[in-house]
Amino acid sequence: EVQLLESGGDLVQPGGSLRLSCAASGFTFSSYAMNWVRQAPGKGLECVSSISGSGGTTYYADSVKGRFTISRDNSKNTLYLQMKSLRAEDSAVYFCAKDSRNEPGGTFESWGQGTLVTVSS
Amino acid sequence: DIQMTQSPSSLSASVGDRVTITCRASQDISHYLAWYQQKPGKVPKVLMYAASTLYSGVPSRFSGSGSGTDFTLTISSLQPEDVATYYCQKYNSDPRTFGQGTKVEI
Repeated sequence: EVQLLESGGDLVQPGGSLRLSCAASGFTFSSYAMNWVRQAPGKGLECVSSISGSGGTTYYADSVKGRFTISRDNSKNTLYLQMKSLRAEDSAVYFCAKDSRNEPGGTFESWGQGTLVTVSS
Repeated sequence: DIQMTQSPSSLSASVGDRVTITCRASQDISHYLAWYQQKPGKVPKVLMYAASTLYSGVPSRFSGSGSGTDFTLTISSLQPEDVATYYCQKYNSDPRTFGQGTKVEI
């Protein structure tokens, strides 16, 4: 059974930084691309970043480009999202999602429970 | 970027009703369309891909159709457990944009 467990969400001041983690189990982690999808309170879904199984290909939404960095440690079956220069509009639940493919571009087959990021002074 | 537009934004129907949700892409996306279901307070779950292929375990009352720019999700007989927000998503290339969602109530 695929399990994805996010951690690292917190209350942070505007301009601050945060690192999210997603521990994966139940599948061959390095064989699948991984994604971070966020959902602001009462709003829809936005894929903010993706990374290929090898880590060699990444994608960032325009809304986070230059501020967020996605990475993965295949030896630890863990996905990361380093967030800096955080803004109020980054406040959301951040989900880790397993891709259906090795390279970014598939559907989001499995989701974690999410971790809440609140950016506020 | 390709935009995805769903209609209606919300709907209310009775148990047993046939429900249809529409998703329109701003450009041709062939069959690269997925549907997700998010029940209140829960995590999104993928229902189908390639516009009409159900994922394992998804009830057969759910069906999808369409290609190019126009797609539909149909629930043939609405059940209480289908209360949720439904999202379409274009995939195969980034950005994998979601529609704004359709809230289905009973």
